Amino acid sequence: EVVLTQSPDTLSLSPGDRATLSCRASQGVSSSYIAWYQQKPGQPPRVLIYGTSNRATGIPDRFSGSGSGTDFTLTVSSLEPEDFAVYYCLYYDNSPDTFGQGTKLEIK
Amino acid sequence: EAQLVESGGGLVKPGGSLRLSCAASGFNFNIAWMAWVRQAPGKGLEWVGRIRSEYDGGTPDYAAPVKGRFTISRDDSKNTLYLQLNRLSNEDTAVYYCATLKRGWRYMDVWGKGTTVTVSS
Repeated sequence: EVVLTQSPDTLSLSPGDRATLSCRASQGVSSSYIAWYQQKPGQPPRVLIYGTSNRATGIPDRFSGSGSGTDFTLTVSSLEPEDFAVYYCLYYDNSPDTFGQGTKLEIK
Repeated sequence: EAQLVESGGGLVKPGGSLRLSCAASGFNFNIAWMAWVRQAPGKGLEWVGRIRSEYDGGTPDYAAPVKGRFTISRDDSKNTLYLQLNRLSNEDTAVYYCATLKRGWRYMDVWGKGTTVTVSS
């Protein structure tokens, strides 16, 4: 089973800053099967990125994904106030699907 | 527009059972793969399991912590997904979400708002 470890656990930044969130897999995985989700309090998760680097429908282009092998990154180029939330990576190739533990992006 | 609405959550005693439902609309449910994900209070997301479309065999997969206790099923005539929860323990307390799997990619795409299950004596 693939284990995903996200870092950092908490990231404190200001609006306008660039955010870089990391997701490391316990073994090499196909980049076709890494997704990123955003979750705000009291809401279900929302998919941002799938297949490592493809933005989901309606996602602003300030969100981008990259990576390969064991290391994957979600980048938010210039933070907007509504971007402060918890972010999860997901590996969905095979059963079981696996989520990372999450990174909380908070306002500094 | 695809929409999912979960129901059936509530308070149940340890060892008890509950059946959750997920009513789907706005998309072709009978070819959709579906999943359940849960989130314990203040914790992260945990994949519970998925079920394939009947066209693709209709078989389920489960996460290790729930295998043998939880059962995922579907009724395509009612556009409804189910999660039967048996032998519940305190560790099963969570918000339970259903989600569609994006066809051709299999990531969780559209999510419901969730239903809360509380296991407590």
